[in-house]
Amino acid sequence: DAGVTQSPTHLIKTRGQQVTLRCSPISGHKSVSWYQQVLGQGPQFIFQYYEKEERGRGNFPDRFSARQFPNYSSELNVNALLLGDSALYLCASSYLAGGQGTQYFGPGTRLTVL
Amino acid sequence: AQKITQTQPGMFVQEKEAVTLDCTYDTSDPSYGLFWYKQPSSGEMIFLIYQGSYDQQNATEGRYSLNFQKARKSANLVISASQLGDSAMYFCAMRDDQTGANNLFFGTGTRLTVIP
Repeated sequence: DAGVTQSPTHLIKTRGQQVTLRCSPISGHKSVSWYQQVLGQGPQFIFQYYEKEERGRGNFPDRFSARQFPNYSSELNVNALLLGDSALYLCASSYLAGGQGTQYFGPGTRLTVL
Repeated sequence: AQKITQTQPGMFVQEKEAVTLDCTYDTSDPSYGLFWYKQPSSGEMIFLIYQGSYDQQNATEGRYSLNFQKARKSANLVISASQLGDSAMYFCAMRDDQTGANNLFFGTGTRLTVIP
């Protein structure tokens, strides 16, 4: 079975632009979470979606938004990009919304903001 | 608030030897989960092992075992018989099982280098 897939792999944007990152979960997984990993740090939680509804939100500004589609894939949108948004964006899927649902990560999208 | 601490920025181990990566956590919730992930230079986070706060026995997955000491709030990862392919960043993470959300709190990671 295919793992979590993310697109694009790499992205270069300039300050003020908008970006959309995409994620497809493992088949059968209904929960998708997004994380931001700045160089030299551990990932930080941005959003969790389960059955198309937001189940959790981390400490990120309103410039960050996300949604989940009926096929459980998800998009992360970031508006008005700042230099500090340069990071590896990781998507993870899990079968359960919480409880014992282990999260499995995709390869990430590396965003560079110039 | 949940907090994960990994105090070893880098570790070296000889091939075929065992190594312990340290992780301490802080939470006031009685129900939580602890995870270890491996991140090679490619960037993907690979799930290694899970320990629930109510689990009586330490978790094991092949060459990986988790030394869970609840009273000390520590969840150290032990890798036995190290291989060159084990060289990577290792992250400890915690999930609060009471909120219903599935968000993980990560430590800053430990870079493991296996020496031939």
